[in-house]
Amino acid sequence: QVQLQESGPGLLKPSETLSLTCTVSGASISSDFWSWIRQPAGKGLEWIGRIQTSGTTNYSPSLKTRVNMSLDTSKNHFSLRLNSLTAADTAIYYCAREYTNSRTLDYWGQGILVTVSA
Amino acid sequence: DIQMTQSPSSLSASVGDRVTITCRASQSINTYLNWYQQKPGKAPNLLIYAASSLQSGVPSRFSGSGSGTDFTLTISSLQPEDFASYYCQQSYTTPRTFGQGTKLE
Repeated sequence: QVQLQESGPGLLKPSETLSLTCTVSGASISSDFWSWIRQPAGKGLEWIGRIQTSGTTNYSPSLKTRVNMSLDTSKNHFSLRLNSLTAADTAIYYCAREYTNSRTLDYWGQGILVTVSA
Repeated sequence: DIQMTQSPSSLSASVGDRVTITCRASQSINTYLNWYQQKPGKAPNLLIYAASSLQSGVPSRFSGSGSGTDFTLTISSLQPEDFASYYCQQSYTTPRTFGQGTKLE
């Protein structure tokens, strides 16, 4: 059974940098794409980007200048960094696997609420 | 970016109803269209992939159709556990994009 678990701080101040980690069990991050999606309270889903062990990364154009993703195969986890935070970045952040064969987000973490407030 | 537009944004229905949600892409995405269900406080759950393929474990009352730019998700007979939000997502290209969602209430 594939499981993903997000971890990181829940409260940050404007201008700070968000760092989240997604730990994966039941699957190797050496295959497929590993994604981040966020959802402000009461709103829809926003795709942030994805990473693959080949080094390929794809980011949302609206966040591209502020986002960086990395992965650590030895720990089987991947990470998101988002800098220059504002209140508009307050959201639930989800990590998910994008299964290469079907191009679907088939396994998701439970999500972590990140609040940006002074 | 490919824009995904869902309609309606919200839908009132009753148990046993047949429900259809539509999703339109701003350009052709072949059949690279997925549907997700999200219940309050939970992560989204994959229902349909490649426009019409049912994800393993998903009840057969859910079905999807379409290709190109126009797609539909149909629930043949609404069950109490189906009251949730539904999102379409294109996987034709990056950036991946979602529809704005449809809340079924």
